[in-house]
Order: sequence, then structure tokens, then C-alpha cells
Amino acid sequence: GNSVTQMEGPVTLSEEAFLTINCTYTATGYPSLFWYVQYPGEGLQLLLKATKADDKGSNKGFEATYRKETTSFHLEKGSVQVSDSAVYFCALSDRGGANSKLTFGKGITLSVRP
Amino acid sequence: GAVVSQHPSWVICKSGTSVKIECRSLDFQATTMFWYRQFPKQSLMLMATSNEGSKATYEQGVEKDKFLINHASLTLSTLTVTSAHPEDSSFYICSARQASGVGQFFGPGTRLTVL
Repeated sequence: GNSVTQMEGPVTLSEEAFLTINCTYTATGYPSLFWYVQYPGEGLQLLLKATKADDKGSNKGFEATYRKETTSFHLEKGSVQVSDSAVYFCALSDRGGANSKLTFGKGITLSVRP
Repeated sequence: GAVVSQHPSWVICKSGTSVKIECRSLDFQATTMFWYRQFPKQSLMLMATSNEGSKATYEQGVEKDKFLINHASLTLSTLTVTSAHPEDSSFYICSARQASGVGQFFGPGTRLTVL
């Protein structure tokens, strides 16, 4: 079956530090990959996505590249801000079919201090 | 665009009562809606998938008679927790997917507390 593995958290960084959150996956076929963010007290929001190998998703300074050879989709940001404090979920979706399900990683809490 | 709302945002009920949670896609037609459950500091667990006009497909271990799902229109799905018990207390999140889209748009969640 499909699975998503995220690095253990939580992660605490100082403002303007470099961020990397690791994500690896196991899936049959060629899944689409996503990063979702959940700010305190809010629902999940799509942060970025990539639908095929070597695609780079980017949004709000965050980037992640779909690496088929290493089955990874690591999230990076060059300079984090306090407002980036949230829980980050890596997820994958099988291709094809109207009922493509999302499989989530456990999520990791990021805290950015001023 | 692609906004999903949930109502109520939080609810407290007595053990044994039933609670209905609504999920609406506000500016698009959602052919598929998903219901998740999230425990504190844990990931989302998919409970069921519903397609408009048909019966929901439940994940293994989820009681369909306990968690009734109705997807009567392209913009509305409801989850009814029947005869709720304290162990049903959780954060329930819905998401919606367009027919041609990739990925899902999530509602803000509903916090259910059963006393």
C-alpha cells in the first residue's frame, strides 16, 4: 500500500534560518505529491504540489522537488519567518480515478522564534 | 476560489445523542468529498469517501452505521455521528475534490466533544 514518512519533529528554528523537512514515500505507479500546512486553529491548506517526476512545486518561498529516484519530496525554504509556524503534512495521491485518496504523513510541527 | 466550509466549527453534546456536521463547497462543484478524523498531534485518518448521489465508501475499521454520510448534492455532504460517545470526541475534517482536479480542498474542521 501507499505510505508517507516524514522526519520526526518538532522543529524549532530562529527567524531567517534555512528550513528542510524531509518526506519520503512508497507508492505503486506515479503518484502526485503534496505539502499541506495547518496553521493554529485552522484547517489544512494546500501549500504546493508536484504531479510528475522532476517537477518543482513552489509557493510562499517554499519549494519541493519530486524525486522519483529517491522517492522523496523534501520541503525547503531559504529564510523562515515567525508566521511560518504551523504543522506541515506531506501527502500523496494515486493517479487516476475520481476517488483518488490522499495518504498523509504524520505531520511535523514547525516553530519559528523571533 | 476553491473554498470549503464546515458547520458547526465546534459542538458539544451529551453521550447518546446524534450530531450532524455539514461540509459545503462554496464556489465549485465537488463530485467527491472526503471525511477525515484527526486526533491531537496526529495525522489525518481517512474515514470515508463519498460521491454525489451514491453511497459512501468507508475505510476499513470505520463503522458505517455509526458515521452516516450523505452527499445529496454537488456542493453539500453531511456526516452524522450517531449515538455519540466520549471516544468519538475528535476533530472532523472534510475535503472536496473537483471532477477534473488533482488534490483536495479542505474545510476548517469541526471540533466534536462528547460529554
